[in-house]
Amino acid sequence: KNQVEQSPQSLIILEGKNCTLQCNYTVSPFSNLRWYKQDTGRGPVSLTIMTFSENTKSNGRYTATLDADTKQSSLHITASQLSDSASYICVVSRGVGGSASKIIFGSGTRLSIRP
Amino acid sequence: ETGVTQTPRHLVMGMTNKKSLKCEQHLGHNAMYWYKQSAKKPLELMFVYNFKEQTENNSVPSRFSPECPNSSHLFLHLHTLQPEDSALYLCASSHLLREMDEQYFGPGTRLTVT
Repeated sequence: KNQVEQSPQSLIILEGKNCTLQCNYTVSPFSNLRWYKQDTGRGPVSLTIMTFSENTKSNGRYTATLDADTKQSSLHITASQLSDSASYICVVSRGVGGSASKIIFGSGTRLSIRP
Repeated sequence: ETGVTQTPRHLVMGMTNKKSLKCEQHLGHNAMYWYKQSAKKPLELMFVYNFKEQTENNSVPSRFSPECPNSSHLFLHLHTLQPEDSALYLCASSHLLREMDEQYFGPGTRLTVT
């Protein structure tokens, strides 16, 4: 069954600290993996996208990794800021584009940054 | 802003009301989507339109009726909803075969059914 599982479900850290969010997937055939940031009451916004051949990609203080062999991805946030408080959603696509039914969403990790 | 707008942002309606949600994309995309997001659950795909034609309906109850008059506009008509339909409804758009079909989301409509 094609699934995307994220951990932890929620996380609270102090401002300035680093954190790592995990994503495990059983999606096949794999096309690409995205991390989205979703602020409360807003739509998700893409942070990174990685294909099979990429194992790391950065976007400012966000660094995503991908291990296609173990089917795991992580999102590392460096020097967290209060504005990083949001839900982070891992999304895996099957096949080669086309139908949105080939996109599988994780349940997200709710990150809270405390001052 | 992502180039995808949704109105209204908040909606409270009774179970006997009829209302419509509107989505507009200014990105030149050719596919549009409706998603339902309930608390602590993954996004649920509801409908997909490719080039104004509905290509997917993920077993959505008939009290939700989509309409796509052109590739820039998408509506979700609501009638006789149930309290469990309360959720954030997100619209998204993408360009098929470009950018790995990356979807751009609107801000959502927070729907409360009383």
